[in-house]
Amino acid sequence: AQSVTQLDSHVSVSEGTPVLLRCNYSSSYSPSLFWYVQHPNKGLQLLLKYTSAATLVKGINGFEAEFKKSETSFHLTKPSAHMSDAAEYFCVVSDFGNEKLTFGTGTRLTIIP
Amino acid sequence: GAGVSQTPSNKVTEKGKYVELRCDPISGHTALYWYRQSLGQGPEFLIYFQGTGAADDSGLPNDRFFAVRPEGSVSTLKIQRTERGDSAVYLCASSSRGGSDTQYFGPGTRLTVL
Repeated sequence: AQSVTQLDSHVSVSEGTPVLLRCNYSSSYSPSLFWYVQHPNKGLQLLLKYTSAATLVKGINGFEAEFKKSETSFHLTKPSAHMSDAAEYFCVVSDFGNEKLTFGTGTRLTIIP
Repeated sequence: GAGVSQTPSNKVTEKGKYVELRCDPISGHTALYWYRQSLGQGPEFLIYFQGTGAADDSGLPNDRFFAVRPEGSVSTLKIQRTERGDSAVYLCASSSRGGSDTQYFGPGTRLTVL
């Protein structure tokens, strides 16, 4: 069975400081892992995805995530937060060969000016 | 190019009524997915189509929910005898061929059952 746990429901950072959004996963097989972002009144947008290639994955808008199998983690980071990063972020897992995505409960990121 | 579109954007109905929600996937995408997002939660999988056939409907909560994709493009999610607990945002996504291909999401239909 596949599942994800997002360890923080809310994260607040000051503009220009680093962002860390934490995610742990559970998967029976070789997982694919994703981060999606949801801005208010907009659709879900893929930030980045891991599918068993390089463990450090770079995404859009300066975000990146590192797949750590030993820790079953896939944390999302960004070196310097921007006001436009304020949104809801979802960590997502999909078992190999399984079409459906399993979403975490989301982390709301607030950027303090 | 055009993304995934969903209509209507908002639907308000009364308990017990029947509703249909429509999804237009990205042109040429063979895989189509429906998810449901309740307030404060992440989206939950409902059903997956590959072409015209429902390849996995394990997420449909009960037999009041049904979805079709008769020509392998547009899909309709149908909910009979709506209940207040059906209120949520219904999301549609499509991908090029399924598998590990990226799923692209539409803006969703917000369903409110009074």
